[in-house]
Amino acid sequence: DIQMTQSPSTLSASVGDRVSITCRASQSIDDWLAWYQQKPGKAPKLLIYKTSILGGGVPPRFSGGGSGTEFTLTISGLQPDDFATYYCQQYNTYSQKFGQGTKVEIK
Amino acid sequence: EVQLVESGGGLVQPGGSLRLSCAASGFTFSNYWVTWVRQAPGKGLEWVANIKQDGREKYYVDSVKGRFTISRDNAKNSLSLQMNSLRADDTAVYYCARVYGGKGGVFDYWGQGTLVTVSS
Repeated sequence: DIQMTQSPSTLSASVGDRVSITCRASQSIDDWLAWYQQKPGKAPKLLIYKTSILGGGVPPRFSGGGSGTEFTLTISGLQPDDFATYYCQQYNTYSQKFGQGTKVEIK
Repeated sequence: EVQLVESGGGLVQPGGSLRLSCAASGFTFSNYWVTWVRQAPGKGLEWVANIKQDGREKYYVDSVKGRFTISRDNAKNSLSLQMNSLRADDTAVYYCARVYGGKGGVFDYWGQGTLVTVSS
């Protein structure tokens, strides 16, 4: 099974900051990597798929990169609406496991 | 508009059974894989099970194999999850989602979730 590890678990930042979250896969997943945003009490929302393709309606301050086993989600110019928990997910296989999540909180 | 609406959650005793349903609308249900994802209170997302368009291919996370069964009824645009031998660690909000795209696929539309509580 492919395991996904995110870091950090929590990230404290201010509005306007540029922040990055790292996701590592236990083996190569090529570019079959997605990112989701989840707010408390809500279902997750697809942010990015195929490592760097933005989901519908996702603002361009979100970007994704990487390949193989190491990936990043970057938010350039953090907005109040971006304080949430972010999850990476591999979909190289039909067991689409998630990372443990990164909570982005207000500093 | 794509919509997924889960139902069937509730309180069940350890060892009991529960059947979750997910009603899909706004898209051609029979053209898509669909999936169940759960989230224990205060915890992260855990993929649970997937089912192919025709129902002939299914995948499960190891912790539910032999206890949970995913199924679908394309005529009724409906997805189900039969959960047997429930344990306390199955307590979670259960989401259904549509699967989109290449390889295993991403989850592009989600329901609002239904809470399953396993407790005596």
